[in-house]
Amino acid sequence: KAGVTQTPRYLIKTRGQQVTLSCSPISGHRSVSWYQQTPGQGLQFLFEYFSETQRNKGNFPGRFSGRQFSNSRSEMNVSTLELGDSALYLCASSLAAGGAYEQYFGPGTRLTVT
Amino acid sequence: AQRVTQPEKLLSVFKGAPVELKCNYSYSGSPELFWYVQYSRQRLQLLLRHISRESIKGFTADLNKGETSFHLKKPFAQEEDSAMYYCALSGRGGADGLTFGKGTHLIIQP
Repeated sequence: KAGVTQTPRYLIKTRGQQVTLSCSPISGHRSVSWYQQTPGQGLQFLFEYFSETQRNKGNFPGRFSGRQFSNSRSEMNVSTLELGDSALYLCASSLAAGGAYEQYFGPGTRLTVT
Repeated sequence: AQRVTQPEKLLSVFKGAPVELKCNYSYSGSPELFWYVQYSRQRLQLLLRHISRESIKGFTADLNKGETSFHLKKPFAQEEDSAMYYCALSGRGGADGLTFGKGTHLIIQP
């Protein structure tokens, strides 16, 4: 079956702009989690959505938000972009909520903020 | 706050030699521990989890609650084991999102 897909794969934005990233989970998976990966901080948990509800949220400012649709697809939004938001954003889907279930990762969206 | 520490950024061993990738964690409750792996030009994927107590691709990991460690071991390294390895923790019995260590780049030399 098809894996997790993320669009776009690459994105260049200017400081102060906002951006929306999209994630399509594996068919049948109802949980989608988002992670930010940077060379300095590594992989950091942003938030998890399950059945259109945010279940968990990591330690990120309110500029980072997300949502999940009834078909389990998820979007992540970052407003008022800062240079430090440049990162690889990964989404992962799983059958059910919580990190205990195997997470299937997408290829990531590389965001560059100039 | 929960934390996962992987002390080695880079580990280089020869083919056939034993491998041990270290992982220490900090968490006040009962965590679920995992090892994820990323091979070159591939996606991050689950290697193994402590609760299943299984061996995957010859790798094993034992949860040591006394030492708060979850080291990954393999008795005889193979060249195809070269990859980035991430230790991860999920709190509240697995109900929370994953907290990752910063990863260890394992290089197996021929």
